[in-house]
Amino acid sequence: AQTVTQSQPEMSVQEAETVTLSCTYDTSENNYYLFWYKQPPSRQMILVIRQEAYKQQNATENRFSVNFQKAAKSFSLKISDSQLGDTAMYFCALHTGTASKLTFGTGTRLQVTL
Amino acid sequence: DAMVIQNPRYQVTQFGKPVTLSCSQTLNHNVMYWYQQKSSQAPKLLFHYYDKDFNNEADTPDNFQSRRPNTSFCFLDIRSPGLGDAAMYLCATRADQETQYFGPGTRLLVL
Repeated sequence: AQTVTQSQPEMSVQEAETVTLSCTYDTSENNYYLFWYKQPPSRQMILVIRQEAYKQQNATENRFSVNFQKAAKSFSLKISDSQLGDTAMYFCALHTGTASKLTFGTGTRLQVTL
Repeated sequence: DAMVIQNPRYQVTQFGKPVTLSCSQTLNHNVMYWYQQKSSQAPKLLFHYYDKDFNNEADTPDNFQSRRPNTSFCFLDIRSPGLGDAAMYLCATRADQETQYFGPGTRLLVL
């Protein structure tokens, strides 16, 4: 069975600052994918970034980057130069081939303040 | 350009009155998913289709059914909605690249 743990229910960051959201996971499979999804209040769930487990290089998408530590089964998301529009619920998720579905963490609610 | 479309965006139904939610996609993805999401919680997978093959989650109530008449469309039928079924219902699609793309959701209110 796969599990995903997000230990920070809520976080706050000031505009233009950097924040890191934590995620740990567990799976017995070697081939899997990790994702961070963003869900703004009353809005659509959108993909922020994805990481293939077989890739050692950490994924980066503009202001968003991950720190993927495969041995430690850790997958944190760093948001640089935080913007008010980054205010949202952030879900970490794991996809494995055998399950063919996403396992979500419980989410971290991020508030960006002035 | 909408890729995963859900209609309606808001649905009000009465306790016990059947309701159907629809999802369509322009991505031609072979996998489609239905999730239930309650306030401030992670989405909970109800079932998914891999092409025409239907896969039900073990804990999905029998009250929830689904149909996929073709690649583009997928429906969620709630046969007898209860107050506990009030939630956001999310549709998602996936090709073989593992990334799921979500629709905007349908918020269901049961009176």
